[in-house]
Amino acid sequence: AQSVAQPEDQVNVAEGNPLTVKCTYSVSGNPYLFWYVQYPNRGLQFLLKYITGDNLVKGSYGFEAEFNKSQTSFHLKKPSALVSDSALYFCAVRGSNTGFQKLVFGTGTRLLVSP
Amino acid sequence: SQTIHQWPATLVQPVGSPLSLECTVEGTSNPNLYWYRQAAGRGLQLLFYSVGIGQISSEVPQNLSASRPQDRQFILSSKKLLLSDSGFYLCAWSWAGGSQPQHFGDGTRLSIL
Repeated sequence: AQSVAQPEDQVNVAEGNPLTVKCTYSVSGNPYLFWYVQYPNRGLQFLLKYITGDNLVKGSYGFEAEFNKSQTSFHLKKPSALVSDSALYFCAVRGSNTGFQKLVFGTGTRLLVSP
Repeated sequence: SQTIHQWPATLVQPVGSPLSLECTVEGTSNPNLYWYRQAAGRGLQLLFYSVGIGQISSEVPQNLSASRPQDRQFILSSKKLLLSDSGFYLCAWSWAGGSQPQHFGDGTRLSIL
């Protein structure tokens, strides 16, 4: 069975500092990995995905994520945080086996960027 | 470009009343469609998904049902709402294929009184 763990309920960082939001996964076969952001009373917005190839994936709003197969991790990173990055972040995984497979989401990590 | 619309944005309903939430997608054809419920602003629970007109798969047995009467229209319904049906309901679409991301609407916040 597929699963995603986001071990931190909340991450606090000062504006201008680098940020990391952690994600580990479990899936049969090769993973398809995704990061989403959610602002209050809004739907989830797609940030980036890892399918294959380069372990460092670049996405929207200056975010990037690093895929590490041996550690089964896909941490979200940004070199310099903005106050406007404060939101709820979700990691999600799906297996790459053929046939329909549902996307499994983590429980989310709240990012709080202080001025 | 593709857009997804959900309505209403908020809804307050009495216990025992019926429910109909609608979701439409523009700018694409034959998308996969999904209904999720998000409780307490955190985890997402997949309720239903559809890979084509009239094809509905249910993930969790419950008081809700879904229908897809047209290619880009997905409807979430209930005949009699329960207090436990309160939550934030999100519709999403994706192209077929496991590597495709899902794209979400802005949700309906449903409160049951």
